[in-house]
Amino acid sequence: DTAVSQTPKYLVTQMGNDKSIKCEQNLGHDTMYWYKQDSKKFLKIMFSYNNKELIINETVPNRFSPKSPDKAHLNLHINSLELGDSAVYFCASSIGGRNTEAFFGQGTRLTVV
Amino acid sequence: QQQVKQSPQSLIVQKGGISIINCAYENTAFDYFPWYQQFPGKGPALLIAIRPDVSEKKEGRFTISFNKSAKQFSLHIMDSQPGDSATYFCAAGPSITGGGNKLTFGTGTQLKVEL
Repeated sequence: DTAVSQTPKYLVTQMGNDKSIKCEQNLGHDTMYWYKQDSKKFLKIMFSYNNKELIINETVPNRFSPKSPDKAHLNLHINSLELGDSAVYFCASSIGGRNTEAFFGQGTRLTVV
Repeated sequence: QQQVKQSPQSLIVQKGGISIINCAYENTAFDYFPWYQQFPGKGPALLIAIRPDVSEKKEGRFTISFNKSAKQFSLHIMDSQPGDSATYFCAAGPSITGGGNKLTFGTGTQLKVEL
């Protein structure tokens, strides 16, 4: 069983389109995250949700909107995609609190053309 | 501003050798220092982690050395194997409570272990 699963694994889309990435975790964790890994493999946190509530929102453009329908799911919707949005997006989860192991999904490679 | 600096960017080690990756941080509010391993096409996975109340932690062939006064920590991989070839990230987590686990990652080190 996959602990943190993301769909789709690959996403190719044109500039200006709107797309969503879905994430589900079956670990019973109460905290979920979205990370962005750029072409140089630099990993940066975008958002964090704890029990469906937004607790970390880094300086991410408003075009990115996370949604957590329940604590096992955290989806990422991106409006008006730009070339610079091309990256690998990772969903992750942890038990919560602070400084606990984060479990990452396999990533979604987004390519904007 | 890169809060966690990692070096080297890439590293080639012979099988059986020791791989050493170094990280330095600036923010004294960090008090959790994990290392993550990432294989191509996969997400990062926790390898080993340390808290600043100890200077060293060892798990199998992997050792973290931590120098609180210098604000530096390093990963040592003993008897490096080709299967260790991956990208390694150091990270730092804050001491401030508030839910969640905002890790700040280093820039990564691509390790290749040659036969």
